[in-house]
Amino acid sequence: AQSVTQPDIHITVSEGASLELRCNYSYGATPYLFWYVQSPGQGLQLLLKYFSGDTLVQGIKGFEAEFKRSQSSFNLRKPSVHWSDAAEYFCAGDYGGATNKLIFGTGTLLAVQP
Amino acid sequence: EAQVTQNPRYLITVTGKKLTVTCSQNMNHEYMSWYRQDPGLGLRQIYYSMNVEVTDKGDVPEGYKVSRKEKRNFPLILESPSPNQTSLYFCASSSGDLYEQYFGPGTRLTVT
Repeated sequence: AQSVTQPDIHITVSEGASLELRCNYSYGATPYLFWYVQSPGQGLQLLLKYFSGDTLVQGIKGFEAEFKRSQSSFNLRKPSVHWSDAAEYFCAGDYGGATNKLIFGTGTLLAVQP
Repeated sequence: EAQVTQNPRYLITVTGKKLTVTCSQNMNHEYMSWYRQDPGLGLRQIYYSMNVEVTDKGDVPEGYKVSRKEKRNFPLILESPSPNQTSLYFCASSSGDLYEQYFGPGTRLTVT
């Protein structure tokens, strides 16, 4: 079955440190891939997306993600984390078809230490 | 401003009392979906609609109904809510050729 996996439930980083959040998608056709961020009490905001082409995609708020087909991964990175980045991050894949359905990972909760 | 709106944002109700959560989008999108978000489970699709009068089940449709009589609106109906439907609900819309979904602000539902 198609799935998206986020291995890390909770990550804590220090402000100013680099960040990498992991995401793996199941084998088969490569889905369209997305990263969303959900701040406390807020809805989901799209950070970036990958459809095809350049495997390094830039997003908003200084985030980037790299698609690696050989590893079935789409990890999210940021070189220097700010306290305002504390939130929950969701990786999602759209495997196409008529439903336009996103399959979400279970999320990674990011805490930022001063 | 392009947006998806949901009402109400918060709702506390009792078991068995019918309720409707409204969803509206102003982007003329064909696709609309309802998701529920539960801790440790991420978001799961409840129902989706590809266009007016075209709806189908997602992964967790039991206990829910939807309708799509107008392109902009996609209400979620709980005919007889139960405590296991306590959750955070999101409506989303997208244009079929762009594959990018826009999410509403969420509705936190508590069923006692």
